[in-house]
Order: sequence, then structure tokens, then C-alpha cells
Amino acid sequence: NAGVTQTPKFQVLKTGQSMTLQCAQDMNHEYMSWYRQDPGMGLRLIHYSVGAGITDQGEVPNGYNVSRSTTEDFPLRLLSAAPSQTSVYFCASSPGTSGSLLTGELFFGEGSRLTVL
Amino acid sequence: QQPVQSPQAVILREGEDAVINCSSSKALYSVHWYRQKHGEAPVFLMILLKGGEQKGHDKISASFNEKKQQSSLYLTASQLSYSGTYFCGTETRWGKLQFGAGTQVVVTP
Repeated sequence: NAGVTQTPKFQVLKTGQSMTLQCAQDMNHEYMSWYRQDPGMGLRLIHYSVGAGITDQGEVPNGYNVSRSTTEDFPLRLLSAAPSQTSVYFCASSPGTSGSLLTGELFFGEGSRLTVL
Repeated sequence: QQPVQSPQAVILREGEDAVINCSSSKALYSVHWYRQKHGEAPVFLMILLKGGEQKGHDKISASFNEKKQQSSLYLTASQLSYSGTYFCGTETRWGKLQFGAGTQVVVTP
């Protein structure tokens, strides 16, 4: 199993450009999420999904869109990139959700480093 | 709202113990603990569920006070491999798992 695969690993954008960070998992996990990590601020939740067709906003959703049309994929779209979106992005999935809370660990991808000029 | 972790950093000698605290202003469904080494993805350590169930590594222990919305991670007899940044994550609503700013742990020989 490949686990959680993020592409691309590195990307440089110009302000105003749009792009999609891809995330795919082959473990049949219902739960998936996106985080961004900036120095001194830990991991901040952007969007999450408890199952196919269901998405919800995290703490920093502005400027990002997601969709979950399949169990395997959870792409993150940057609509109009800004320098403030320069960050390392992590996608994660989890097998454990009882229908009311997360009961299992998060499996993280290797991260995608995005620079917006 | 992100949970609050303390301390921000701790330096230990091998064999010493440390406690990392995590508190939330909201009721918690679950608390997760992860460790991240520089340039790598976070790695799972422990999950504590509302109601008392725990899952995690044998050598790492943690507590969860549901009434006070607090959790603590106990590093006992620290080893060099314990160095890294520790994050607590709090689930305040189904699936909404938010992490604190992290506690940097340095273990020296």
C-alpha cells in the first residue's frame, strides 16, 4: 500500500495563480483532512471530510476549496494564490470514525511545500 | 480555536521525565498526540477518547480530564529518540481535529 500520497511535493506559484494539491489514499479511509503548517503555529486545519460527498470547514478555510467525490481522493484547490498561502501542506486520512468521533490515528502524507511569490 | 500547549519548549537529559500539557476552551470528543521530527510528517503517539478509552504506544502515557478539557503527555525516562516537536490535537466536533502550536523537546546525552 502506498498510504497517503500528495502531489506535487514542491510548487512555486505567482500571486493570483490557481492550482490544485492532490491527495490520494489507498486504505479505504472514510476520514480525510488538510492542514497547513507555518513556523511557530503548528498544524492548522483547512478543510476536512468524514466521508465521500461530505466536507466541512476547518479553522483557516478562506482561499481554499475542497471536494470529496470519491473515498480515495481529497484535492485542495487554491483559487487565487496569495503570498500568505506560502506554507507546507499536509493531507491526512484516518480509518477510525465511529459516526460521532475520530477513534483512530491520522496517517499523514509527506507534505507539499508551496511558495507563492 | 486551537488548543493551548505548555511548555513551548523543554530541554531534557537522557533519563529525565517531562510533562506536556494541553488545554481547550471547548468540550472534547477526543485528544490526539503526535510527534514530528524536522522535515518529516507528524507521527501518531496516542489517542484518548471521551469515556476513557486509550490507544497508543506502550512507552508513552497520557491522561485526559474530560471535565477540565485538559490532557497531559508524560515522557518517562527520556531517550534521544524522543527529541522532536509534540502536538496535541483536540476534536471538538466530529472530525474537527485542531492542533496546538507544539512543544519542542530536546533530549541531550
